[in-house]
Amino acid sequence: AQSVTQLDSQVPVFEEAPVELRCNYSSSVSVYLFWYVQYPNQGLQLLLKYLSGSTLVKGINGFEAEFNKSQTSFHLRKPSVHISDTAEYFCAVINSGGSNYKLTFGKGTLLTVNP
Amino acid sequence: DTGVSQDPRHKITKRGQNVTFRCDPISEHNRLYWYRQTLGQGPEFLTYFQNEAQLEKSRLLSDRFSAERPKGSFSTLEIQRTEQGDSAMYLCASSPPGGTRADTQYFGPGTRLTVL
Repeated sequence: AQSVTQLDSQVPVFEEAPVELRCNYSSSVSVYLFWYVQYPNQGLQLLLKYLSGSTLVKGINGFEAEFNKSQTSFHLRKPSVHISDTAEYFCAVINSGGSNYKLTFGKGTLLTVNP
Repeated sequence: DTGVSQDPRHKITKRGQNVTFRCDPISEHNRLYWYRQTLGQGPEFLTYFQNEAQLEKSRLLSDRFSAERPKGSFSTLEIQRTEQGDSAMYLCASSPPGGTRADTQYFGPGTRLTVL
């Protein structure tokens, strides 16, 4: 069984400030890791994913995430946020092998960027 | 390239009624997924199709729920005898053929169900 913990349910920041959204996971098998963003009244959109190789992954909209195997973490960062980054962010994992194709999501972190 | 579409976007029903939702995946995507998202939670996996075959079902999918993908294109999710606890956002996603678990699942906008 797998689980994903997003340590902060809400993160308020001011515009142009840096932000880090934290994600830890638990799994007995190798996983792939994803960050999705959900804007109000919209579906989930992929920001970035880690499959293998370099532990620093760059995504869309200036976001990046770092995979840390020893700490089983995959924290999302952006050096300078904009008002338009206000949204809910979800960390997710999927088995890299086996027979199932289901994503397991965390509960989400609501990022609110204030002027 | 159109994205995943879902219909209706909103559904309000009375307890005990049956409801059906439709999902049209991205063209040529052969894998299709259904998830449910309740308030304050992340999406939870319900079921998964590869072409017309339903390959995996979650324990969340009680016997009141049934999903089909008859021709390997669009899919329907039916809930019979709805309960207030079924109120949620129902999300559909698809991913391309010949792929792996590393492939991105592309999500639709969801159908928000409210059971009164």
